[in-house]
Amino acid sequence: GNSVTQMEGPVTLSEEAFLTINCTYTATGYPSLFWYVQYPGEGLQLLLKATKADDKGSNKGFEATYRKETTSFHLEKGSVQVSDSAVYFCALSDRTGGFKTIFGAGTRLFVKA
Amino acid sequence: EPEVTQTPSHQVTQMGQEVILRCVPISNHLYFYWYRQILGQKVEFLVSFYNNEISEKSEIFDDQFSVERPDGSNFTLKIRSTKLEDSAMYFCASSGKGGSAQHFGDGTRLSIL
Repeated sequence: GNSVTQMEGPVTLSEEAFLTINCTYTATGYPSLFWYVQYPGEGLQLLLKATKADDKGSNKGFEATYRKETTSFHLEKGSVQVSDSAVYFCALSDRTGGFKTIFGAGTRLFVKA
Repeated sequence: EPEVTQTPSHQVTQMGQEVILRCVPISNHLYFYWYRQILGQKVEFLVSFYNNEISEKSEIFDDQFSVERPDGSNFTLKIRSTKLEDSAMYFCASSGKGGSAQHFGDGTRLSIL
């Protein structure tokens, strides 16, 4: 079945550091890929998405590129801020399974001032 | 921007009691979902709903669970006889079409005593 694997956290960075959170997926079809963010005490917010191979999703300085050859969708940001501290979830959705979203385990990011 | 709303934000219930969690999806969306997140764990799919019927359900969604769209705007999750292990954050989500990004509510925290 479909699955998502992302790097374990927590990840602790200093402000303005470069961020990479690795994500790989397994899917039988051609999924859409997403990154969701969960700030403390809040719900899930869509951060960015990509729907086909080589698409790059971007939002708020975050980027991720849909790499079919490596089945990856790594999240990057060039310069993190304290306000980026949150849990980041990589996810996929495809036609198999009624378009349900399958989430990775989440990676907690702490950014220090 | 339209959003998914969930009520209540926190529900405390005695074990064995019935509980109904309510969601108002985005008005022109057609696909509806429930997910849960046990504290500190990954977000898990429960059920998807389209065209007034369940599209898919997970093994978690046993006979104690049911969903309903009673009036064209609300989407409810009922747990008939709650167990301690039902304690979790429950998220409702909706999307305009299959495979597009799902919009999540802020969740209902369910605590079973």
